[in-house]
Amino acid sequence: GNSVTQMEGPVTLSEEAFLTINCTYTATGYPSLFWYVQYPGEGLQLLLKATKADDKGSNKGFEATYRKETTSFHLEKGSVQVSDSAVYFCALSPYSGAGSYQLTFGKGTKLSVIP
Amino acid sequence: DADVTQTPRNRITKTGKRIMLECSQTKGHDRMYWYRQDPGLGLRLIYYSFDVKDINKGEISDGYSVSRQAQAKFSLSLESAIPNQTALYFCATSEKSSGITRNEQFFGPGTRLTVL
Repeated sequence: GNSVTQMEGPVTLSEEAFLTINCTYTATGYPSLFWYVQYPGEGLQLLLKATKADDKGSNKGFEATYRKETTSFHLEKGSVQVSDSAVYFCALSPYSGAGSYQLTFGKGTKLSVIP
Repeated sequence: DADVTQTPRNRITKTGKRIMLECSQTKGHDRMYWYRQDPGLGLRLIYYSFDVKDINKGEISDGYSVSRQAQAKFSLSLESAIPNQTALYFCATSEKSSGITRNEQFFGPGTRLTVL
């Protein structure tokens, strides 16, 4: 079946540090890949997405590149801010088949950024 | 105004009680979903609905039921609540589309349910 594995947290960084949150996946074919963010007390929001190999999703200074050869979609940001403190979820949606409109989530990585 | 709303936002109940969580959306999306979130487990799909007459079980449907009253409303019920159903519950919606927005889901703010 489909699965998503992301690095366990919590991750604590100082402001302006470089962020990487690793995400790897298992799926057949070419799934779509997503990063969602959950700020304290809120629901999940889509942060960025990529739908085919070598695509780079980007938003709010965050980037992730769809790497088919390593089945990875690592999230990066060059300089984090306190306001980036949140839980980050990697997710996939299969390309086709009965489950093609469902999302499979990783367990989430909590990021805390300290001033 | 929020596009996806959930009521109540918080609920404490006792074992054996019937509970209904409600979700409404103004996005005009056909597809709606119910998830539960547990610490360290991420989100798991309970039920999903592709339209009013199309309702499907997700990964963890046991102990839950749903009702799609209209395109904009999707309710989750716990017929007889038990403590291990204590969790954060999210409703989500998505378009019926095969384009690049495929399965981009939009989430409500969540309902925190505690079963004593």
